[in-house]
Amino acid sequence: QSALTQPASVSGSPGQSITISCTGTHNDVGAYDYVSWYQQHPGKVPKLIIFDVSVRPSGISTRFSGSKSGNTAYLTISGLQAEDEADYHCSSYSTSIALRVFGGGTRLTVL
Amino acid sequence: EVQLVESGGGLVKPGGSLRLSCTASEFTVTDAWMSWVRQTPGKGLEWLGRIKSATKGGTTDYAAAVRGRFTISRDDSKNTLYLHMDSLNTEDTAMYYCTIDGSHYDTLTGYYYYYYMDVWGKGTTVTVSS
Repeated sequence: QSALTQPASVSGSPGQSITISCTGTHNDVGAYDYVSWYQQHPGKVPKLIIFDVSVRPSGISTRFSGSKSGNTAYLTISGLQAEDEADYHCSSYSTSIALRVFGGGTRLTVL
Repeated sequence: EVQLVESGGGLVKPGGSLRLSCTASEFTVTDAWMSWVRQTPGKGLEWLGRIKSATKGGTTDYAAAVRGRFTISRDDSKNTLYLHMDSLNTEDTAMYYCTIDGSHYDTLTGYYYYYYMDVWGKGTTVTVSS
């Protein structure tokens, strides 16, 4: 069981927007603006797409955006494209069982 | 281009030990904060531990789940990071990645919080089975 809670799957049609939630506690997501998101295509290595809740690394599309409210962080992908179909993992700095905790991952299907 | 290449994975019996290596190119491991992360189909990604840069003492921190069994070290002469794993059990079966950590500078405290995984290696597979 992962420390952060994500929906197992989400889906959307090309061009639509989707949002993935990542719920933690006052020991992690709720306490710090140190949330990151990773994209992982099947059989590939995770790739950083968001850090500091909402900052995109160089080269990451502006279609990816992050936000946070209370103990929950959100990843929004706008203008869905077929290439966005992947697993998305959230992570947060934590003061509990580990310095960093992850969510269980969300499988995004582009219909 | 910065690259990390893990090696040393394989099949090991329960109770056994294994040492994973992570060799860096176009990058000096002694200058970075680096972590080990593993991934299992059932539990997703799991952060295992990190080593600080040499200028910050090169000390290590571990997740509670592996503290006492796993040890992270570094050989600067070989530009290589290691993960030594003891008392392995079937739940340690996973893909193991080394990463270069990224940080946020908190202007209020003056601290750098190293908390995200900026660069990932391709991983090495560990299977614990009798």
